[in-house]
Amino acid sequence: GIQVEQSPPDLILQEGANSTLRCNFSDSVNNLQWFHQNPWGQLINLFYIPSGTKQNGRLSATTVATERYSLLYISSSQTTDSGVYFCAVVTTSGTYKYIFGTGTRLKVLA
Amino acid sequence: DTGVSQDPRHKITKRGQNVTFRCDPISEHNRLYWYRQTLGQGPEFLTYFQNEAQLEKSRLLSDRFSAERPKGSFSTLEIQRTEQGDSAMYLCASSLARGGRSSYEQYFGPGTRLTVT
Repeated sequence: GIQVEQSPPDLILQEGANSTLRCNFSDSVNNLQWFHQNPWGQLINLFYIPSGTKQNGRLSATTVATERYSLLYISSSQTTDSGVYFCAVVTTSGTYKYIFGTGTRLKVLA
Repeated sequence: DTGVSQDPRHKITKRGQNVTFRCDPISEHNRLYWYRQTLGQGPEFLTYFQNEAQLEKSRLLSDRFSAERPKGSFSTLEIQRTEQGDSAMYLCASSLARGGRSSYEQYFGPGTRLTVT
């Protein structure tokens, strides 16, 4: 089955720093979403981005489906950005289920 | 739009007991998904429904697990004869698939954290 790898696995930043999180997937996908999982376990939708580039405030994302990767940019990080970031993909095999990546655990220090 | 809700938020049970969780999707959403997340891992797919039809089940869904969505609205996930390995966060999500407004975008509930002692 498809492999979804995220890097880096762990990231520690000082407040105000910028970062780039990467999601690589091993097969063609119909959809890709980025989520932030807060300390209480809630998965918060960040971007629904099967292709192209989107921006929302300090966050932006780019997916290059033909090259099988997506990037999530966080600028001017804040302590509230801490948590785990997941990408999730839907393969082209006719299913609608998400396959989640391995996650990036981010800690932003004040 | 009140979002996806799940009940209970936390459940502690003894090994061998049965438990049932409920998920209420976003009102207009006709697809409903269940995932399981263990500590330090990403969520893993269990099953999904389109309206009341259960269209896909993961091999993770053993015979002790059953899910229903009887009227195409809320769903229940039951675990019979719980084992310590069932301890996890159980997440529900929903999405819309209808004509030209189909979307794969899934919205997740807050989860039910199950602890089996």
